[in-house]
Amino acid sequence: GAGVSQSPSNKVTEKGKDVELRCDPISGHTALYWYRQSLGQGLEFLIYFQGNSAPDKSGLPSDRFSAERTGGSVSTLTIQRTQQEDSAVYLCASSSGQGYEKLFFGSGTQLSVL
Amino acid sequence: KNQVEQSPQSLIILEGKNCTLQCNYTVSPFSNLRWYKQDTGRGPVSLTIMTFSENTKSNGRYTATLDADTKQSSLHITASQLSDSASYICVVSGGGSYIPTFGRGTSLIVHP
Repeated sequence: GAGVSQSPSNKVTEKGKDVELRCDPISGHTALYWYRQSLGQGLEFLIYFQGNSAPDKSGLPSDRFSAERTGGSVSTLTIQRTQQEDSAVYLCASSSGQGYEKLFFGSGTQLSVL
Repeated sequence: KNQVEQSPQSLIILEGKNCTLQCNYTVSPFSNLRWYKQDTGRGPVSLTIMTFSENTKSNGRYTATLDADTKQSSLHITASQLSDSASYICVVSGGGSYIPTFGRGTSLIVHP
């Protein structure tokens, strides 16, 4: 695609429910990153994929958070048993994966846990 | 520990005025430094990249500088416009990881 696409753009859920957030990176980009941004705060790293493998998942805040990437393309971030503190914007970025390259970001998913 | 510190945290200026944003980092070894602009409700977009050998680079009204010896960078915005209102994020790559280190950003508000 022309850019990084994320869906849904907004998600409202009830505490305790599971949610899935989707990221469709730029075609051909092998590196994919997930970040979380709370209101008025900086970006918090969650997980990094190179192809289908995740060499760095050190930013996942708890075992309620997981992510996968299939076919070296689409990635899904899953949050189980959501809590109110999970409310934030979840941003996905991709890059060519050839080194320390520019990140291309999607517009994010605004998650609100009631 | 790889860190990026930005100042000021927020800044309010009048349209047409200039401003300078600062970034200090401890990332080592250094690969490159990028400034990103994040408009409200959008993902960050890269404005400019600075590598070790570059001291100054311009992109329209944006001019970035890098002092690799003191590990400092600045982003100067000339003749500000209302559309410059955004968060400006300094991001440094290197440190032995493919995970870039993000600053917390400077929130710029340009008033008419």
